Amino acid sequence: RKEVEQDPGPFNVPEGATVAFNCTYSNSASQSFFWYRQDCRKEPKLLMSVYSSGNEDGRFTAQLNRASQYISLLIRDSKLSDSATYLCVQRGGGSYIPTFGRGTSLIVHP
Amino acid sequence: DGGITQSPKYLFRKEGQNVTLSCEQNLNHDAMYWYRQDPGQGLRLIYYSQIVNDFQKGDIAEGYSVSREKKESFPLTVTSAQKNPTAFYLCASSVGLADTQYFGPGTRLTVL
Repeated sequence: RKEVEQDPGPFNVPEGATVAFNCTYSNSASQSFFWYRQDCRKEPKLLMSVYSSGNEDGRFTAQLNRASQYISLLIRDSKLSDSATYLCVQRGGGSYIPTFGRGTSLIVHP
Repeated sequence: DGGITQSPKYLFRKEGQNVTLSCEQNLNHDAMYWYRQDPGQGLRLIYYSQIVNDFQKGDIAEGYSVSREKKESFPLTVTSAQKNPTAFYLCASSVGLADTQYFGPGTRLTVL
């Protein structure tokens, strides 16, 4: 399976800031994309799926750019509780098994 | 409550000993997975099972073994052949291989 690449960060932002992460994937046949959130020493939890038309859930917006082969996650009005590692996941292109990125660390400070 | 349970949360073993990690789910999911996560690393797939009595090797199966005798259970054995077993082990399940994965709370294994 092809790789998924993420900037490990950390992204250090103040409360209320808008922050965006990108994730690039190398398999052009990838079909499904997801963002998971992982708190320190905890399991990953699904944050949102990424659709071709984009996906918005409250303060979170995910976008897919197939031409440039990347997905993005935008977080508006950051909260302290948003501090976590965000994992990019892709699936497809010959396998149902998802490929996880190493994650991007976000630290939101007062 | 429906969900995935893993036990124990923390496990310590001496080098050279085999150890079995438990994973149980009551979500009626057909597919189950085992991942390993090392600090600063992504999740790496050890084994997965699409259905009862069937399982397939993932990217890093060497030194591990699994069984899938029941739909609800997918135990992972870390054998003495695994050269660097200290890691955070995560079990996941999904309705089918093409569906969203949900994770258990993980087992942190330390080999002394």
